Amino acid sequence: QKEVEQDPGPLSVPEGAIVSLNCTYSNSAFQYFMWYRQYSRKGPELLMYTYSSGNKEDGRFTAQVDKSSKYISLFIRDSQPSDSATYLCAMANSGGSNYKLTFGKGTLLTVNP
Amino acid sequence: EAGVAQSPRYKIIEKRQSVAFWCNPISGHATLYWYQQILGQGPKLLIQFQNNGVVDDSQLPKDRFSAERLKGVDSTLKIQPAKLEDSAVYLCASSLDLVVNIQYFGAGTRLSVL
Repeated sequence: QKEVEQDPGPLSVPEGAIVSLNCTYSNSAFQYFMWYRQYSRKGPELLMYTYSSGNKEDGRFTAQVDKSSKYISLFIRDSQPSDSATYLCAMANSGGSNYKLTFGKGTLLTVNP
Repeated sequence: EAGVAQSPRYKIIEKRQSVAFWCNPISGHATLYWYQQILGQGPKLLIQFQNNGVVDDSQLPKDRFSAERLKGVDSTLKIQPAKLEDSAVYLCASSLDLVVNIQYFGAGTRLSVL
């Protein structure tokens, strides 16, 4: 079983839709949870950063972490064509020198105008 | 603030040749990372530096890959000899330090090995 599982999609939605992206993980030691957005031929860009469980909201984006279920989600409200990209979840188990990001495969999202 | 700079953007080589990639991190960032991203996969950490010292190189194929970070700033990643399976995007990232570990990525170098 891979440490981080993410449905690669592709996911295609109309403009204005609510998008739900998800990852599951097996390592219960993960404490830091991130979502990165990667446009074609660009490097990943950090969208959301969460420590432990709970919700975090930033504009149209909401990140949720459920450590009991080992499940994290990213919701995008009022999706825009500019949101079309690959979304990568990433996790790490501790800080300091042991901090190492483990990424999911990424979900390719297309928002159609 | 300038981002993480990488060069070249693209490189095409034949198998068994050697290749080198260069990275200039964000000014003041002590921690530097090299990742390999194969098409359709998430980035995989190859090596992590703190200043000019190696923190983690457990996933670096040391028989063919090498990396250095002279003077704790710029870094180079080298592959010698290259194999077909090395075709990937090589991403460099940097963070302020190991405690404030928000990683900022460069655009990457896309390597094709023929």
